[in-house]
Amino acid sequence: SAVISQKPSRDICQRGTSLTIQCQVDSQVTMMFWYRQQPGQSLTLIATANQGSEATYESGFVIDKFPISRPNLTFSTLTVSNMSPEDSSIYLCSVDSYGEQYFGPGTRLTVT
Amino acid sequence: QKEVEQNSGPLSVPEGAIASLNCTYSDRVSQSFFWYRQYSGKSPELIMSIYSNGDKEDGRFTAQLNKASQYVSLLIRDSQPSDSATYLCAVYGQNFVFGPGTRLSVLP
Repeated sequence: SAVISQKPSRDICQRGTSLTIQCQVDSQVTMMFWYRQQPGQSLTLIATANQGSEATYESGFVIDKFPISRPNLTFSTLTVSNMSPEDSSIYLCSVDSYGEQYFGPGTRLTVT
Repeated sequence: QKEVEQNSGPLSVPEGAIASLNCTYSDRVSQSFFWYRQYSGKSPELIMSIYSNGDKEDGRFTAQLNKASQYVSLLIRDSQPSDSATYLCAVYGQNFVFGPGTRLSVLP
């Protein structure tokens, strides 16, 4: 398995600002994923981030709104840009470790 | 579009009973199947993986896979109130696809 940490664990942000979420893994992994989960809903994949290449975004998510960095095999960031109240959600980082997917603890974002 | 379907529940069972959670998937080339448990306010936790047809047991949990029927299930024996959570089915073919989850409530 993989141990994943995320920072911050929660934040309250004002409309129009941006927040960068960090994801750190205790081992080198090729594939990292960013999900969003709104209250009472299932997981929605935002993008897949592979080291050394551009992130691949799912339908409905664009790089200008959710820029992702993946500078090495143990770290990634997701930025939520120009936030609106609709961006209030839990953001989860996950990794593929030997064909199994493990999740970080999540970042709870509230936009006011 | 690849889909994974689950009953949303809630599924309520009395303490000590067997809870049965079901999942169907549409992608016939799916190779790997997973069950996650998610407590309210927490992130999903991997509890079972299964790759071959048949049953796989781990403690009180048994995963069952039938690729011909495109069906995977999770049985929880001797259900405890601490098993109350949402259970997510996930399928890996060309990519990971998660189901919407089934909310399980184990009543004392």
